[in-house]
Amino acid sequence: AQSVTQLDSQVPVFEEAPVELRCNYSSSVSVYLFWYVQYPNQGLQLLLKYLSGSTLVESINGFEAEFNKSQTSFHLRKPSVHISDTAEYFCAVSEYGNKLVFGAGTILRVKS
Amino acid sequence: NAGVTQTPKFRILKIGQSMTLQCAQDMNHNYMYWYRQDPGMGLKLIYYSVGAGITDKGEVPNGYNVSRSTTEDFPLRLELAAPSQTSVYFCASSPQGAWTGELFFGEGSRLTVL
Repeated sequence: AQSVTQLDSQVPVFEEAPVELRCNYSSSVSVYLFWYVQYPNQGLQLLLKYLSGSTLVESINGFEAEFNKSQTSFHLRKPSVHISDTAEYFCAVSEYGNKLVFGAGTILRVKS
Repeated sequence: NAGVTQTPKFRILKIGQSMTLQCAQDMNHNYMYWYRQDPGMGLKLIYYSVGAGITDKGEVPNGYNVSRSTTEDFPLRLELAAPSQTSVYFCASSPQGAWTGELFFGEGSRLTVL
């Protein structure tokens, strides 16, 4: 069965600094990988996804994630964060089927 | 432009009471899901449905029941509420299934059991 580990529960960072949110997964078969973002008092929104093809995927607001099969990782990065990026970020994995398994979440706190 | 609508947004229950969390979507999605979110635990799948009349258990179904009589609605019933059911509940829908990652979430229902 697949599982997801987000290595940091909270990541504080100053505005305009780079950030990396770490995600590792375990699965015995090929997987699909996702990052979701949850702003305060809202539901989750899909940020980016890897299904196949290029291992580097990007979102419209400057985040990117790279699928590394040998290290079973899917870390999320942004070269320069803004106050508005403050949110909780969830890594998720699915094998073919109807279930999506979420990590415990990482709270990104951007400070001015 | 409603998407996934959950009601109520907040509710306080006494131990042993029952209630139904409502979820409706207007996107004609076949797949619908109920998750609970607890601090530091991520989201856990309670029940899901792949179409009207079809439901199945997720990771944490005990204490809950669901029905899916229409494509639009997927209510979650809590029977005999317990403090362990204090949580934030999210309903989600998907056009092709959760494996695609294309889940559309409601804004959540915060439930406290005292």
